[in-house]
Amino acid sequence: DSGVTQTPKHLITATGQRVTLRCSPRSGDLSVYWYQQSLDQGLQFLIQYYNGEERAKGNILERFSAQQFPDLHSELNLSSLELGDSALYFCASSVGQQETQYFGPGTRLLVL
Amino acid sequence: GIQVEQSPPDLILQEGANSTLRCNFSDSVNNLQWFHQNPWGQLINLFYIPSGTKQNGRLSATTVATERYSLLYISSSQTTDSGVYFCAVFPHSGGGADGLTFGKGTHLIIQP
Repeated sequence: DSGVTQTPKHLITATGQRVTLRCSPRSGDLSVYWYQQSLDQGLQFLIQYYNGEERAKGNILERFSAQQFPDLHSELNLSSLELGDSALYFCASSVGQQETQYFGPGTRLLVL
Repeated sequence: GIQVEQSPPDLILQEGANSTLRCNFSDSVNNLQWFHQNPWGQLINLFYIPSGTKQNGRLSATTVATERYSLLYISSSQTTDSGVYFCAVFPHSGGGADGLTFGKGTHLIIQP
């Protein structure tokens, strides 16, 4: 158990819908990262937050957004979902910005 | 951006065999991690090793930062070692604000 929790574990929804994925980092970790793992793109970095502020963006679509709250948990919002958004979404956390990242169990999203 | 190449892409071994997985990266890094993704999709931290050598039980890793490669050694393989092994790097040029860039992984199958 990495100490990073993600909910829900599985999510099935339809095209055009909006979903919210939630992540709680390890106790004491200030950085939260979101990653997407799909069969064709592999594991890709989406976005990073540090102590409530957005710090870096990767290959995140404009239909996706995220935030980190004062209690340091984070949410990833995916809207206008398409079939190609079906993937495993991971959250990771670290103490600072270049230390070891610990990954949560992931949320498996299926868009039908 | 930084490129990460892993080899071999696939590896099938008998239980008890030893193996060496390689990760080459195209630029200097501040962070290099090895992960094992098990058949249930969990990403398990193996090593944080931007340079030097570390050992943990039957696993060890070496990173030669000046030559931009890292090696993961698995000795006396067990069937539970099966899965995908990922190398991921945090580029030095990121300035502390970035995410991990992952290789495509080595798919390891250990046969009983």
